[in-house]
Amino acid sequence: SQQGEEDPQALSIQEGENATMNCSYKTSINNLQWYRQNSGRGLVHLILIRSNEREKHSGRLRVTLDTSKKSSSLLITASRAADTASYFCATDARGGSARQLTFGSGTQLTVLP
Amino acid sequence: DAMVIQNPRYQVTQFGKPVTLSCSQTLNHNVMYWYQQKSSQAPKLLFHYYDKDFNNEADTPDNFQSRRPNTSFCFLDIRSPGLGDAAMYLCATSRDRTSLEAFFGQGTRLTVV
Repeated sequence: SQQGEEDPQALSIQEGENATMNCSYKTSINNLQWYRQNSGRGLVHLILIRSNEREKHSGRLRVTLDTSKKSSSLLITASRAADTASYFCATDARGGSARQLTFGSGTQLTVLP
Repeated sequence: DAMVIQNPRYQVTQFGKPVTLSCSQTLNHNVMYWYQQKSSQAPKLLFHYYDKDFNNEADTPDNFQSRRPNTSFCFLDIRSPGLGDAAMYLCATSRDRTSLEAFFGQGTRLTVV
């Protein structure tokens, strides 16, 4: 079953506004990652936050993690039309020979020019 | 500059006709993954290789097989594609068994007619 669930499923905002996406997960994690996927493309790693971290920044991205609530949020500030994409959170578990990522259901972000 | 390359980008196959999707990587990573992503859903892990060690997910149908003849290449074989196998297939790599970040190819969109 999916580890992560994201909300909202879809988000539409105007260019320049901030976009916030949330992710909830079920079991204990070592870290949580956010990926971006442009339509019909592969996923691109955005940012990783470890379980002992509460907040992390990378450019216009801000990620928070609340392990007590088993949730994370991704904030994109000053959004641009080029930010239009699907955003997935992913948690990892050691399975088989190597780490495996389990993805949430994703948030489709549309930034209107 | 492409690091994880999937060919072809689009593949159309007939119902029941075997099809092979390919993935190559220039990163010299030890781990290679295959994910299936259906429309508006999260990527779902099918299997992964750590070096030559193959790890199948418990719920991956027997219809799906994989080969990794060397570090650079990994293939996904669908022995008898059904209509329900139409999806985007994503190949990903990570450096080694402890690495957290995954690098994705652009995906192959499979259509079954």
